Amino acid sequence: AQSVTQPDIHITVSEGASLELRCNYSYGATPYLFWYVQSPGQGLQLLLKYFSGDTLVQGIKGFEAEFKRSQSSFNLRKPSVHWSDAAEYFCAVGVPGFQKLVFGTGTRLLVSP
Amino acid sequence: EADIYQTPRYLVIGTGKKITLECSQTMGHDKMYWYQQDPGMELHLIHYSYGVNSTEKGDLSSESTVSRIRTEHFPLTLESARPSHTSQYLCASSEAGTTVPTEAFFGQGTRLTVV
Repeated sequence: AQSVTQPDIHITVSEGASLELRCNYSYGATPYLFWYVQSPGQGLQLLLKYFSGDTLVQGIKGFEAEFKRSQSSFNLRKPSVHWSDAAEYFCAVGVPGFQKLVFGTGTRLLVSP
Repeated sequence: EADIYQTPRYLVIGTGKKITLECSQTMGHDKMYWYQQDPGMELHLIHYSYGVNSTEKGDLSSESTVSRIRTEHFPLTLESARPSHTSQYLCASSEAGTTVPTEAFFGQGTRLTVV
């Protein structure tokens, strides 16, 4: 069965510094990959998605993610973090034929001044 | 902005009470989902629906039930609430798609506390 691992429970980054959140998936073929962000007290908002094609995907709010098949990874990056980026970030995988998404445990991003 | 709404946002209720969590979407999506989310844990799918009169159990066993009488409405019911049901419940919807998983749009969630 497909699964998603987000190895970092918490990450603290200084405002203005770069950010990378890790995501590893388990699936035999090319999966459909998603990154969501959840602000406190809110639902999940889609940041970006990868289905096929260019392995570097651009999303909203200045985020990007790179699909690396050899590493089974889909890490999320942002070159300069803003205080408003503090939130919980979830990586998810979708499998063709199954209309459900499987989510990782999430990474909580803290932004220090 | 996604148009999917959950009510109530917060609910504190006593053990043994019957509760219904409401979820409505105005996007005409055929697929709808209920996820349960505990702090520091992943989202667990507890129910989903492919359309009217379709309901399926998700990956995580739940004592709750759902119904889908109208496309836009997907309520979740607990007949007798227990403290173990304390959690956040997230409703989501997505387009039908064919075999490709499509992105899900989420409501703001209902935080349920059973005392």
